[in-house]
Amino acid sequence: SAVISQKPSRDICQRGTSLTIQCQVDSQVTMMFWYRQQPGQSLTLIATANQGSEATYESGFVIDKFPISRPNLTFSTLTVSNMSPEDSSIYLCSVERADTQYFGPGTRLTVL
Amino acid sequence: SQKIEQNSEALNIQEGKTATLTCNYTNYSPAYLQWYRQDPGRGPVFLLLIRENEKEKRKERLKVTFDTTLKQSLFHITASQPADSATYLCALEGSNDYKLSFGAGTTVTVRA
Repeated sequence: SAVISQKPSRDICQRGTSLTIQCQVDSQVTMMFWYRQQPGQSLTLIATANQGSEATYESGFVIDKFPISRPNLTFSTLTVSNMSPEDSSIYLCSVERADTQYFGPGTRLTVL
Repeated sequence: SQKIEQNSEALNIQEGKTATLTCNYTNYSPAYLQWYRQDPGRGPVFLLLIRENEKEKRKERLKVTFDTTLKQSLFHITASQPADSATYLCALEGSNDYKLSFGAGTTVTVRA
């Protein structure tokens, strides 16, 4: 299994600002994933973060809007830049181990 | 395009009955299919994985079937309890990549 923590657990932000979300895993992993879950929707993969290389973004998501860092094998950050109310969502990080994905508790972001 | 569809309506059942959830997919050739549980304000929690060459898998009161001809998985919660109330998500990983795609989920409410 994997134990994942995220900070902050929730935040309320003003339009035009940026928020950085941290994800910490209890052991080393090669890939970390960032998902978005909009209200009443399922999870959508934003990007995959590998240590030592640039993140790979899914269609509809770009690095300028969602820059990701992966400085080591247990930590990653996702920044939501120049926020608008449409960015209000839950943001989740996850890791895969033995064909199973383990998720963090999520960061609930509200943009006013 | 690829699609994953789950029961669109919420399921309300009496305690002790069996809940049956459906997951249909199109334009996937999944190596396996997974089911997750998500409680409000929490990240998804892995429940079961069934591989393409498996017809059925059980875990305690949970049973999953996988029909690759029908492109369908059924998820059963037997002897349901109020604590089973949650949203249940199915997820597919394609045979050509490692990325998980999620259905929108089915919300189950078990009445005491």
